[in-house]
Amino acid sequence: QLQLQESGPGLVKPSETLSLTCTVSGGSISSSSYYWGWIRQPPGKGLEWIGSIYYSGSTYYNPSLKSRVTISVDTSKNQFSLKLSSVTAADTAVYYCARHIWVVVAATRGDWFDPWGQGTLVTVSS
Amino acid sequence: QSVLTQPPSASGTPGQRVTISCSGSSSNIGSNYVYWYQQLPGTAPKLLIYRNNQRPSGVPDRFSGSKSGTSASLAISGLRSEDEADYYCAAWDDSLSAVVFGGGTKLTVL
Repeated sequence: QLQLQESGPGLVKPSETLSLTCTVSGGSISSSSYYWGWIRQPPGKGLEWIGSIYYSGSTYYNPSLKSRVTISVDTSKNQFSLKLSSVTAADTAVYYCARHIWVVVAATRGDWFDPWGQGTLVTVSS
Repeated sequence: QSVLTQPPSASGTPGQRVTISCSGSSSNIGSNYVYWYQQLPGTAPKLLIYRNNQRPSGVPDRFSGSKSGTSASLAISGLRSEDEADYYCAAWDDSLSAVVFGGGTKLTVL
């Protein structure tokens, strides 16, 4: 059974870089069928997709965050990571990692996340 | 302001049927598949409906999804207390080149 687990500092200072790692177990991150994604949820608010990565290193990011986001993968450790630079209080959120599955059927695209990690709260504060 | 629009709240009594709407545009719901997630209090979201109306294994058939034009709906029949959760719709947006979510609907079972 595939499981994902986020890890990293729970407190980051404003203007610094947030760094999180997602460890995948029960399956290989090098599967050719999937991307691996990050999603965040500010306290009491909705979900926001941050970006996703393929095991080869190919990435795509939410344009609203693209200038500050870097996602990388380490296939030897079955992990992928998120870096978000120049953080502010608005980046305070629960950060989730998830397997990102996408398909295209007759020009109709589908993207979904399953399963998800349990999430980790990152607070931006001095 | 979310790209996909959901009502912030919905409610029903046990046994009732409740529907949650999700409104988008031609660049997202109108041209791509819609997905629904259930987030129980204090937990991570869980996939509930994929490709507009398909249920993953283990999801009760009380949950159903539909799509028409640029809108989608999630229906829950035979409402149970354990269905009390936040529900989110999602789709790929061709114009934004991003996965977009609705703002979420908090379902209360009275």
